[in-house]
Parts: sequence; structure tokens; C-alpha cells
Amino acid sequence: KAGVTQTPRYLIKTRGQQVTLSCSPISGHRSVSWYQQTPGQGLQFLFEYFSETQRNKGNFPGRFSGRQFSNSRSEMNVSTLELGDSALYLCASSFYMSNEQFFGPGTRLTVL
Amino acid sequence: AQSVTQLGSHVSVSEGALVLLRCNYSSSVPPYLFWYVQYPNQGLQLLLKYTTGATLVKGINGFEAEFKKSETSFHLTKPSAHMSDAAEYFCAVSDGNNFNKFYFGSGTKLNVKP
Repeated sequence: KAGVTQTPRYLIKTRGQQVTLSCSPISGHRSVSWYQQTPGQGLQFLFEYFSETQRNKGNFPGRFSGRQFSNSRSEMNVSTLELGDSALYLCASSFYMSNEQFFGPGTRLTVL
Repeated sequence: AQSVTQLGSHVSVSEGALVLLRCNYSSSVPPYLFWYVQYPNQGLQLLLKYTTGATLVKGINGFEAEFKKSETSFHLTKPSAHMSDAAEYFCAVSDGNNFNKFYFGSGTKLNVKP
């Protein structure tokens, strides 16, 4: 069974640009969550999507947004990038009503 | 609100020695507790979880953890460390209302000396 996949794995952008990251969950998983990992702030919850609806949201500015498609694949978008957005962005998926989350390898975003 | 404190950002043990990684949590509702491991340039892998029931939880690779409500702790142990255990370990908590919204500790890097 294929695991959670995230594309791209590495990304370099400049300040002010926007970026879109993609996450394909494990087959059958309908919940997708996103986390930001930085050396200073650690792992922080961004948002969770289930059945194309945002079910939970963390404390991030509106520049961070996401969506989920009917096939459960999810994307997150960051607009007007700042240097502090440089991080590893992790996606996790789970079955409906399960809190056992399976994480992807992450997308490492560098903002110059 | 939920939060997690991991004592010790770095722990070093000798191969074959006991591994003990500490995790204390704060939760206003009955918690769900997790330990994850992260190897360099990889995502997180679930080691074990506590939801309800038995307070001693066994996970993969010989790890186990005990939920102690009175101490609000969920420490991770392994009787005998192996070189391959060198990684970063994260404790996380969620609750029954938002069970996929995890709050992570700051992580503990485990070094295993030969």
C-alpha cells in the first residue's frame, strides 16, 4: 500500500511569491492534515480537511490556505511568502474517525 | 487547551542501555497521546498511541510507554538501545473533540553511542 506522497519534495522561492504544495493521502483515507515544522517553533498544526471541508484550523495568518478535492488529495497554498515561512511542511492522512495519522516525507520550502 | 512538554532536547545513551524519553502533557479533556519518530529528511513514523484502556502501551521496535494520569505523563522507554534508534522523537496530544489536531512537543534527539 502506497504511503502519503507529497510533491514537490524541495522548493525554493523568493519573498513575495506564492507557492502551492500537494499531498496525496493513503488510499481510503479521507482526512488530511497539514503541519509546519521549523527549528524555532517546532511542529505546528495548520489545518485539517475532511470530505473537501476544512474541519480544523490552527493559528496561522490568512496567507496560509488549503483545499481538498473529491479524491481526497489536498493542496496548501501560501501567498506573499516571507522568510519565516521557510520550513518543512508535512501532510498526514487518516481514515474517517481515526486519529492514527500517517505522515508523508514533507516538502522543504526555502524562501530567499 | 492541550500542550506537551518534552524534558531534554538531547539524550545520549550507550548501545544496550535503557532509553527513557520524558513527556508531560496538559489537557482539559481526556487525552489521546502519541509518540512519533523522525529520521533525518523523513516524515514522522508512529511508534505507539494511547487512546483508552490499558495504560501500558507497546509499540514498534521494542518501544513502550505508560500513561500516568496522576502525573500527566506519557514517558517512552526501550529496555535496550540500538544504534538504529538514533533519531528525533516527538510526543503529541489530541482530544476527542478535535482528534486529528495534534499538539506536538519540541522533540528529543536521541544519540546512541557504540
